[in-house]
Amino acid sequence: DGGITQSPKYLFRKEGQNVTLSCEQNLNHDAMYWYRQDPGQGLRLIYYSQIVNDFQKGDIAEGYSVSREKKESFPLTVTSAQKNPTAFYLCASTPTGAHYEQYFGPGTRLTVT
Amino acid sequence: EDQVTQSPEALRLQEGESSSLNCSYTVSGLRGLFWYRQDPGKGPEFLFTLYSAGEEKEKERLKATLTKKESFLHITAPKPEDSATYLCAVAISGGYNKLIFGAGTRLAVHP
Repeated sequence: DGGITQSPKYLFRKEGQNVTLSCEQNLNHDAMYWYRQDPGQGLRLIYYSQIVNDFQKGDIAEGYSVSREKKESFPLTVTSAQKNPTAFYLCASTPTGAHYEQYFGPGTRLTVT
Repeated sequence: EDQVTQSPEALRLQEGESSSLNCSYTVSGLRGLFWYRQDPGKGPEFLFTLYSAGEEKEKERLKATLTKKESFLHITAPKPEDSATYLCAVAISGGYNKLIFGAGTRLAVHP
């Protein structure tokens, strides 16, 4: 089955710890994205990557970092510098040649206490 | 400032009671408008893409329309399984595939 997978589904961390969220896709999509979703707000773009070994900051990149060493993988690290890390994190990708259409993974809910 | 506003925030319908959700936008250089369905605790599921004013798309009980300032998602004779949050997003010109999302409309359909 082709698709976007995110793991884990739920993640709990203590304040001050870095944590890495996984995003993998076997759709051969070039572009990948990370969003954050908070109650009552629209999805906000954290980072995006259009090709391997290249990524750009989105609207709320502070306190986050990413890498894109393989086309299939786009992991997101939530660092201790992120002031309000508790949220629902969504990974998405765009089919090659598509115009802006983004397809989403199932999400990871991160809780930091 | 580019902005997407969805209304109402929440909508409660009886099964079979048709209604519409609104997505209004003020953006420079619209490249497309997208509707997604999101179930609790899950990722958004792609529904429709609309590219130009006057365009319409249909899927089962859902019909999406687009004007120069807003889009409507019409739900005809809804069923309880249509209960979800419906998200609207717009793509704007700017060098990459950026989407601006509205906050969503939470739809509850009761039997």
